[in-house]
Amino acid sequence: EPEVTQTPSHQVTQMGQEVILRCVPISNHLYFYWYRQILGQKVEFLVSFYNNEISEKSEIFDDQFSVERPDGSNFTLKIRSTKLEDSAMYFCASMRQGVSGNTIYFGEGSWLTVV
Amino acid sequence: GENVEQHPSTLSVQEGDSAVIKCTYSDSASNYFPWYKQELGKGPQLIIDIRSNVGEKKDQRIAVTLNKTAKHFSLHITETQPEDSAVYFCAASLNAGNMLTFGGGTRLMVKP
Repeated sequence: EPEVTQTPSHQVTQMGQEVILRCVPISNHLYFYWYRQILGQKVEFLVSFYNNEISEKSEIFDDQFSVERPDGSNFTLKIRSTKLEDSAMYFCASMRQGVSGNTIYFGEGSWLTVV
Repeated sequence: GENVEQHPSTLSVQEGDSAVIKCTYSDSASNYFPWYKQELGKGPQLIIDIRSNVGEKKDQRIAVTLNKTAKHFSLHITETQPEDSAVYFCAASLNAGNMLTFGGGTRLMVKP
């Protein structure tokens, strides 16, 4: 079964440093997402991306966050100046609109620790 | 915005018993309600979903019911097996593809 792959699986970074989390969505998918889950809390929506632009974003997704699809396969989340509270598991997801309905597939996550 | 509450937060059942997890949502405009299973160290995996034009949906041992009037939906797992042990999340969105608002999760433990 095709899957969403994410790298790195775990990253430790100093506060104030820039971080890029990478994702390879399923190849024929058109919609891409980032979610995050702070330890012990709910999974939270960050941003959705379609047709090379942001289609929806949450209040969490402020100016320090950005997303990019630099080529035909990768989808990245950049955090410009990390804060302690950015420590979380970040999930990439993708979706293909199909006749049988839409299904969002999640990757296994990138665990970010800011120290 | 949408708020989704999920209960219970933990659920322990004996193998072979049924498990029921309940969620309520606040936004009557929501039309899409998926359920995800998350195993340790893995991402959420869709197990079943329901849209607002349907009151119930079943897939083998898993069923979901939706009451739009009361704004609640439930996951039913019958004949539970140890491999059903995981964290289960409900979610709601305007439509599939729009942002998902997740419940807090239920840790299901199936004892052999």
